[in-house]
Amino acid sequence: AQKITQTQPGMFVQEKEAVTLDCTYDTSDPSYGLFWYKQPSSGEMIFLIYQGSYDQQNATEGRYSLNFQKARKSANLVISASQLGDSAMYFCAMRAVGQFYFGTGTSLTVIP
Amino acid sequence: DAGVIQSPRHEVTEMGQEVTLRCKPISGHNSLFWYRQTMMRGLELLIYFNNNVPIDDSGMPEDRFSAKMPNASFSTLKIQPSEPRDSAVYFCASSLRLEGNTQYFGPGTRLTVL
Repeated sequence: AQKITQTQPGMFVQEKEAVTLDCTYDTSDPSYGLFWYKQPSSGEMIFLIYQGSYDQQNATEGRYSLNFQKARKSANLVISASQLGDSAMYFCAMRAVGQFYFGTGTSLTVIP
Repeated sequence: DAGVIQSPRHEVTEMGQEVTLRCKPISGHNSLFWYRQTMMRGLELLIYFNNNVPIDDSGMPEDRFSAKMPNASFSTLKIQPSEPRDSAVYFCASSLRLEGNTQYFGPGTRLTVL
């Protein structure tokens, strides 16, 4: 069965500090993709970063990086130098066996 | 690029009425997805299309839901008849191709069925 899990319902981080949001997955598909999305209180879904299962290097996009550990089946999102505008829900997602699966989300609050 | 466009942004209707949600994907994108988001169930993939053809509709909750994509620039999600439990935010997303690409989401339609 395909599954994606976010175990942190809520996280707090001090402004300018780094924070790691956890995501683990399980799939029988050897070729899969992992995504992170941000959903601010305004409701829109914003793509942050993508990692393919065959990518050798961890994906990075500005202050976002994806810590991809294939053997552990984890795809944690690292946000460096947190900003107040980073406060939002963060969803981990996986594309596998022709379907898309979303985690339950982690609510991140950046404290001034 | 204008991004994914959805209309209406908000819809309030009464139980039993027909509801039609509309989506215009990003030009050049070949894949289109309809999602529903609720507090109870989170994000659920309802159906997705590739090159205007429905690929998987296993997420569509019941026969009251139907989706069409008559051309590459337009898709509709219809609920008939609507029920209060259909109240949710419905997102449309598009991607360049089905495999390996990210999805760009529209702003969503907030549906309230009274």
